[in-house]
Amino acid sequence: DVKVTQSSRYLVKRTGEKVFLECVQDMDHENMFWYRQDPGLGLRLIYFSYDVKMKEKGDIPEGYSVSREKKERFSLILESASTNQTSMYLCASSLSGGARAQYFGPGTRLLVL
Amino acid sequence: EDKVVQSPLSLVVHEGDTVTLNCSYEVTNFRSLLWYKQEKKAPTFLFMLTSSGIEKKSGRLSSILDKKELSSILNITATQTGDSAIYLCAVAHSGTYKYIFGTGTRLKVLA
Repeated sequence: DVKVTQSSRYLVKRTGEKVFLECVQDMDHENMFWYRQDPGLGLRLIYFSYDVKMKEKGDIPEGYSVSREKKERFSLILESASTNQTSMYLCASSLSGGARAQYFGPGTRLLVL
Repeated sequence: EDKVVQSPLSLVVHEGDTVTLNCSYEVTNFRSLLWYKQEKKAPTFLFMLTSSGIEKKSGRLSSILDKKELSSILNITATQTGDSAIYLCAVAHSGTYKYIFGTGTRLKVLA
């Protein structure tokens, strides 16, 4: 079974803090993704990575950065957290090439005060 | 702009009912359409559809793609309370790694 894990289920941070969200997958997938999920807006892509050290901006990259130093690990960084970044963050991974399903981690619910 | 629209937004049924959830899309360079079930946490993968008219089935769930109508349906027969969830539809974009998600259909099954 594909397993995608995220470092925290719940996080509470203060405005201006630097926040790290980590995601690890154990299936040797090339592609990894970070989404945020908000009511009425669905899943929106923040960043994705198709290889180690490679990244591409998604639809809403502002205020976020990412790091992929190892194939299995993809980190999302909020450089200076703001209240409008309160959300559910979902990491996903998939194989590359052709039609591939994404597999999701359990999510991190982030509250920025 | 690429978009995926799901309907209805929410649905309440009784155990034993059959439900049909709809997903329509306007996506340039379509590669595949995926269905997910999301309970309290991560979306779990249900089906991936790439060819028109071929039904995918898993137990009481089934899905089919109509590329001419740019749509897909997800059917659930003999619903159970455990089917209560948000059902997400996503379209994979050919030529990029992007998946475009709909906002989901929230299904509640009453005992």
